[in-house]
Amino acid sequence: NAGVTQTPKFRVLKTGQSMTLLCAQDMNHEYMYWYRQDPGMGLRLIHYSVGEGTTAKGEVPDGYNVSRLKKQNFLLGLESAAPSQTSVYFCASSYGYPDTQYFGPGTRLTVL
Amino acid sequence: GESVGLHLPTLSVQEGDNSIINCAYSNSASDYFIWYKQESGKGPQFIIDIRSNMDKRQGQRVTVLLNKTVKHLSLQIAATQPGDSAVYFCAENGPGGFKTIFGAGTRLFVKA
Repeated sequence: NAGVTQTPKFRVLKTGQSMTLLCAQDMNHEYMYWYRQDPGMGLRLIHYSVGEGTTAKGEVPDGYNVSRLKKQNFLLGLESAAPSQTSVYFCASSYGYPDTQYFGPGTRLTVL
Repeated sequence: GESVGLHLPTLSVQEGDNSIINCAYSNSASDYFIWYKQESGKGPQFIIDIRSNMDKRQGQRVTVLLNKTVKHLSLQIAATQPGDSAVYFCAENGPGGFKTIFGAGTRLFVKA
C-alpha cells in the first residue's frame, strides 16, 4: 500500500495564480483532511471530509476550496494565491473519528 | 481557549538515555490522545495513542502516560537512538464533533 500520497511535492506560485493540490489514499478511509503547517505552530485544519461527496470547513478555510468527488481523492484548491498561503500542506486520512490520522509527505508551497 | 501546549520546545539527550516529552492540554472533555513523530521533510507519523479511560499505555520502546487530574500527557522513549531525532507532536481529540488540536511540537536531539 502506498498509504497517503500528495502531488506536487514543491510548487512556487506568483500572487494571484491558482493551483490544485492532489491527495490520494489507498486505505479505504472515510475521513480525509487538509492541514497547513507553519514554523513554530501546530498543524491547522483547513478543510476536511467525512465521506465521498462531503466537505466541511476547518479552522482556517479562507482562501481555499476542496472537493471529494471520489472516496480515495481529496483536492485542495487555491483560487488566487497570496503570500500568506506560503506554507507546507499536509493531507491526512483516517478510518473514523476519533482515530489515528495517516499523513502524506507534504507539499511545500511558496507564493511570491 | 482550548489548546495543546508543550513544556519544552527542544530536548537534547545522550544516545542510550531515556527521553521524556511533555504535553499539557486544556480541554478536560478530550478523550483520545495521540503522539506523532515528524522527521525533517516528512509528514507526521503515528507513534502511540491512549484513551481517557487509561492512564498508561506501552509500545515498543515508547510509553505514554496520561494524568487527567492535571491534564498532562507525556511520551517516554527508552534507550533513545539517533533515529529518534525528530519533532514530536501531541494531539487531543474531543467529543461532540470533529476537533483535533495539535501542539506546536518538541524537537528532540539525540547526541551520539
